[in-house]
Amino acid sequence: GEDVEQSLFLSVREGDSSVINCTYTDSSSTYLYWYKQEPGAGLQLLTYIFSNMDMKQDQRLTVLLNKKDKHLSLRIADTQTGDSAIYFCAETMNYGGSQGNLIFGKGTKLSVKP
Amino acid sequence: GAVVSQHPSWVICKSGTSVKIECRSLDFQATTMFWYRQFPKQSLMLMATSNEGSKATYEQGVEKDKFLINHASLTLSTLTVTSAHPEDSSFYICSARGGTGANTGELFFGEGSRLTVL
Repeated sequence: GEDVEQSLFLSVREGDSSVINCTYTDSSSTYLYWYKQEPGAGLQLLTYIFSNMDMKQDQRLTVLLNKKDKHLSLRIADTQTGDSAIYFCAETMNYGGSQGNLIFGKGTKLSVKP
Repeated sequence: GAVVSQHPSWVICKSGTSVKIECRSLDFQATTMFWYRQFPKQSLMLMATSNEGSKATYEQGVEKDKFLINHASLTLSTLTVTSAHPEDSSFYICSARGGTGANTGELFFGEGSRLTVL
């Protein structure tokens, strides 16, 4: 079945860059997403990338997609303490009755040290 | 961007009572809404998919009589946890997907509702 894997923890110093990695198994993925979840809150969509793109940049966020290796990464430049949260990678496919369903990874907890 | 509002954010109830959680798309029509449940320290688990005007499609292992989903309009879906028990305590999150345009593949999430059953 479909599977999305992420490392569980990442710790960086304020001002450094953070890179959160994700691998997925289903090559028919059409959209790949990054969500941010702050403590006690719901999910906030950070950015997404279509599967026919290699890179997408949005202010401090850069998403890289390697379709051959089924590898997705999220780079946060100049990481701030407010970036501390859990980051979820997710994929969606379009097939049959499950169109639009998201498959999530377990999330990477990013800790930013002053 | 599109906004999805979920209500209530927090709810505490006694065992045996029923709780209704609302999910509204505020500035777009959501042809499809999804309900997720998040267990502590785990990822989101899809519970069911609801399309406006039709019955919800439940994922395997989710009791449809326990978790009643109604998607009566293009902007509102409700999840009712019937006869709630402590094991139903969880974080429930809805998401909504528009039907057309550039955002067709994009899902917007509500803030989530934390249910605690005593």
